Amino acid sequence: EAGVTQSPTHLIKTRGQQATLRCSPISGHTSVYWYQQALGLGLQFLLWYDEGEERNRGNFPPRFSGRQFPNYSSELNVNALELEDSALYLCASIQGASYNEQFFGPGTRLTVL
Amino acid sequence: GQQLNQSPQSMFIQEGEDVSMNCTSSSIFNTWLWYKQDPGEGPVLLIALYKAGELTSNGRLTAQFGITRKDSFLNISASIPSDVGIYFCAGQLSGGGADGLTFGKGTHLIIQP
Repeated sequence: EAGVTQSPTHLIKTRGQQATLRCSPISGHTSVYWYQQALGLGLQFLLWYDEGEERNRGNFPPRFSGRQFPNYSSELNVNALELEDSALYLCASIQGASYNEQFFGPGTRLTVL
Repeated sequence: GQQLNQSPQSMFIQEGEDVSMNCTSSSIFNTWLWYKQDPGEGPVLLIALYKAGELTSNGRLTAQFGITRKDSFLNISASIPSDVGIYFCAGQLSGGGADGLTFGKGTHLIIQP
């Protein structure tokens, strides 16, 4: 069974541009979480999508947004990129809203120049 | 927001030694999870704990959910070179993952042959 997949693996942008990151959850999983992992820091919760709806967001500005598609894949958009947005962005999926075991993808390394 | 204090920050040990790391919080968690992250990869779930006092093993790994529900520890017995990596504890405040997981800052495990 395929795990969580993310694309692209690496993304290089300049300040002010927009970035789009994609995630495909494990087959049968309906919930997707996004986390930001800045260098040397732990993971910070960004967004939670379940059954196509945004259920909650972490302490991040509105220029971080996303959506979940009918097939449960998800997209994270970061507008007006800033240098401090450079980080590893991780997507995790769980089987449903009542489960706690999150399974992570390999991440997208975003570099903002 | 909630914080997890994970210690030690790093460990330098000899191959074959046992390893112990822990996480504490001022908040009560319903679930404790332990993950391992290799460079350039997403975290991999090692052990999930759901009940206060629960002691769970996964091969050479053993983790416990503290009685107060505010702490957890992970032990690795007879370490081997492939145990090298960053270990994260993560807590879930409520079922359903409304707030995402709260992560510790990680323990870097370095094994000297």
